[in-house]
Amino acid sequence: DAMVIQNPRYQVTQFGKPVTLSCSQTLNHNVMYWYQQKSSQAPKLLFHYYDKDFNNEADTPDNFQSRRPNTSFCFLDIRSPGLGDAAMYLCATSTPAGVYNEQFFGPGTRLTVL
Amino acid sequence: RKEVEQDPGPFNVPEGATVAFNCTYSNSASQSFFWYRQDCRKEPKLLMSVYSSGNEDGRFTAQLNRASQYISLLIRDSKLSDSATYLCVVRPTGTASKLTFGTGTRLQVTL
Repeated sequence: DAMVIQNPRYQVTQFGKPVTLSCSQTLNHNVMYWYQQKSSQAPKLLFHYYDKDFNNEADTPDNFQSRRPNTSFCFLDIRSPGLGDAAMYLCATSTPAGVYNEQFFGPGTRLTVL
Repeated sequence: RKEVEQDPGPFNVPEGATVAFNCTYSNSASQSFFWYRQDCRKEPKLLMSVYSSGNEDGRFTAQLNRASQYISLLIRDSKLSDSATYLCVVRPTGTASKLTFGTGTRLQVTL
């Protein structure tokens, strides 16, 4: 089945130790997104790619970086995780066309920072 | 003011009840609207889009009031399986891809 896959599902890291989260998709969608969602809060968009065109949100900290080596894969790098970065990280994909196009989410990676 | 505001709930209703959620948005130029459902510790999934004319999908009815900048979701004949958080989502104008999410309204349906 076509889908959005995230690995790992659970990640534990130490304060300040770099971590990379992975997302892959078989939907062949042009657009890929990374969201951060903390408990009882709305998903917050960190950045998105339209093909290889990177779009950063103005309030995304420099600590968060992303790479998209090809259509299928996208990575979220957290260079120096702090306790406040503990959250669920959601990857999503969509086609660019149409104002009612759906975003398809992966199952998320839950990050714990010790 | 938040871009998308929802009552966080929880709404506790008995099975079979009708329940309604409202959501307000601040950007009058927003172009499209959605309800997503999120189960506990799972990813959001599209429940339904919300069109200007209103739309219905089985037990679910969505309405949009552009003049008052609010969106509603009505669930009839609630099932235990409807227990989830319902996220109101808005696509701002001029952003082909971005979505803005509300914090969600939690629904608990009980026996």
